[in-house]
Amino acid sequence: GESVGLHLPTLSVQEGDNSIINCAYSNSASDYFIWYKQESGKGPQFIIDIRSNMDKRQGQRVTVLLNKTVKHLSLQIAATQPGDSAVYFCAENIGSSNTGKLIFGQGTTLQVKP
Amino acid sequence: EAGVTQSPTHLIKTRGQQATLRCSPISGHTSVYWYQQALGLGLQFLLWYDEGEERNRGNFPPRFSGRQFPNYSSELNVNALELEDSALYLCASNHEGGATNEKLFFGSGTQLSVL
Repeated sequence: GESVGLHLPTLSVQEGDNSIINCAYSNSASDYFIWYKQESGKGPQFIIDIRSNMDKRQGQRVTVLLNKTVKHLSLQIAATQPGDSAVYFCAENIGSSNTGKLIFGQGTTLQVKP
Repeated sequence: EAGVTQSPTHLIKTRGQQATLRCSPISGHTSVYWYQQALGLGLQFLLWYDEGEERNRGNFPPRFSGRQFPNYSSELNVNALELEDSALYLCASNHEGGATNEKLFFGSGTQLSVL
């Protein structure tokens, strides 16, 4: 079915530590995945994306890992900072049809303790 | 370069009224997507417009409709408002030439409250 689930609704980390936010997806036809960050009162902000033909992609302080075997996606944030506190959403695009529809997870709240 | 802009930022209506929400995509973007984000929930796909045409709609009643203008800006209309329509309505657009759904850039949304 159509669902993207996030493990753990809230993640609390110490400033300077690394954060890992996990996401499970259910559709093996999904070919594109995106991570968004949403701060209070703002719209989702694009962080990083990955196509299904890749296992890993790195950005500035962020890394996305894709495990197609177990349909699992993770976002790693290095040296977490207070400004990283936000809700993080993963989203998937089902490649079998050009619907214009992304399927979003429910979100994980990241809290960074100083 | 200006991002996706939405207006108004807040809108208060009563049940049964109609609401109109507006969105201006990033310059050069031709696709506009609308999503609903109810409190504490993820985003639910509403509508997709490209080159002035409605390409797809999500699982929402016909009360939700919209259009895209020749300048690629878009309008979302919600008729016969119900209490459960209270949510943050987000608009997003794609970079020029981008494939569907790639790197959507979102606006800050319109918070619709139905009393």
